[in-house]
Amino acid sequence: EAGVAQSPRYKIIEKRQSVAFWCNPISGHATLYWYQQILGQGPKLLIQFQNNGVVDDSQLPKDRFSAERLKGVDSTLKIQPAKLEDSAVYLCASSLDGANFESQYFGPGTRLLVL
Amino acid sequence: GENVEQHPSTLSVQEGDSAVIKCTYSDSASNYFPWYKQELGKRPQLIIDIRSNVGEKKDQRIAVTLNKTAKHFSLHITETQPEDSAVYFCAAELSGTYKYIFGTGTRLKVLA
Repeated sequence: EAGVAQSPRYKIIEKRQSVAFWCNPISGHATLYWYQQILGQGPKLLIQFQNNGVVDDSQLPKDRFSAERLKGVDSTLKIQPAKLEDSAVYLCASSLDGANFESQYFGPGTRLLVL
Repeated sequence: GENVEQHPSTLSVQEGDSAVIKCTYSDSASNYFPWYKQELGKRPQLIIDIRSNVGEKKDQRIAVTLNKTAKHFSLHITETQPEDSAVYFCAAELSGTYKYIFGTGTRLKVLA
């Protein structure tokens, strides 16, 4: 079974620029999560999708971050404009249907450095 | 808000010794607790999980214990090997949301 795919793996941008990340979840997984992992910390949930609908985006800084999952499969996360404090690893994860006791499987992440 | 505390932040053990990592959660209704291992520059990988109706679960050298009354759970690694060196994260599923709250991580170093 193929895992969660993400691209790019690394990105360096200057502050105030825009950046977009892409995620392809495990085939058949209805639920998709985007996490932000700052160095030395645990992953923090930004947004959760169930199919193409948003379940929770309470932690997403909506003034600069946006995400979509138009066809209920792939997802993109965008930052516009980026700030220095956005430097982090952005992890995508997926689970079968977002039910209780269900494991989430992570992608390799996109490491973002904002200069 | 809900949170998960994890201790210690770093842990060094001699190869062959045991390692224990402890987590405490605040949401008393949490009922699912996964553990992830993250090697440097790699994705977090699920290594073991436990549901609230079970007090202990074991998988070869790895075990997890859960004390719901005290709201804490622990990861136990026996006969540690150098390849166990990584950062370990605990998480608790926030009841009714299917969201995980992660701990801050423990960097385990197994010394050969």
